[in-house]
Amino acid sequence: QKEVEQDPGPLSVPEGAIVSLNCTYSNSAFQYFMWYRQYSRKGPELLMYTYSSGNKEDGRFTAQVDKSSKYISLFIRDSQPSDSATYLCAMSGLEAQKLVFGQGTRLTINP
Amino acid sequence: GAVVSQHPSRVICKSGTSVKIECRSLDFQATTMFWYRQFPKQSLMLMATSNEGSKATYEQGVEKDKFLINHASLTLSTLTVTSAHPEDSSFYICSARVSGKIYEQYFGPGTRLTVT
Repeated sequence: QKEVEQDPGPLSVPEGAIVSLNCTYSNSAFQYFMWYRQYSRKGPELLMYTYSSGNKEDGRFTAQVDKSSKYISLFIRDSQPSDSATYLCAMSGLEAQKLVFGQGTRLTINP
Repeated sequence: GAVVSQHPSRVICKSGTSVKIECRSLDFQATTMFWYRQFPKQSLMLMATSNEGSKATYEQGVEKDKFLINHASLTLSTLTVTSAHPEDSSFYICSARVSGKIYEQYFGPGTRLTVT
């Protein structure tokens, strides 16, 4: 079993829809949770990070962490074609050197 | 957000030659930098972790004599692919972590290596 599980998709939704992206994990030591967006042939871009449980909002993006269920989510409101990309979740423990990444979900927003 | 640059963005080399890729944090200091490899439509595969002034830590299965990593300053790390072979062709991405902040890791734009 992988430490971090993420449905690779592809996920295709119409413009304006609310998008929900999710990851589950097995390591209870994870405390930091990140979401990255990666466009084709580019490096990943850090979108948001959250420490421990709770919600965090930034514009059209909301990150949620439920440590009791070992489940994290990224919601995108009013989705736009420019949001089409691969979204990677990543997480880390308090003292860990490295991030553990999910497989990434390919998202397409159709005009 | 913080900016990480990589150079070159694309390189083509002949089999048996060596290629050096540079990774720079432009507006912050990075005690720790990471090197990843990514195959088409796949996630990132961590190759090694480099800490400024010390030897890199390689992931299992990554040949340290083939992928030489140097992290000589708080803003620069280099990856040298030695005696490159066609199977080394891939997308190499570096990242730099803001000193003292596990959650702030920024990626470079990547380097496309093609070995002919």
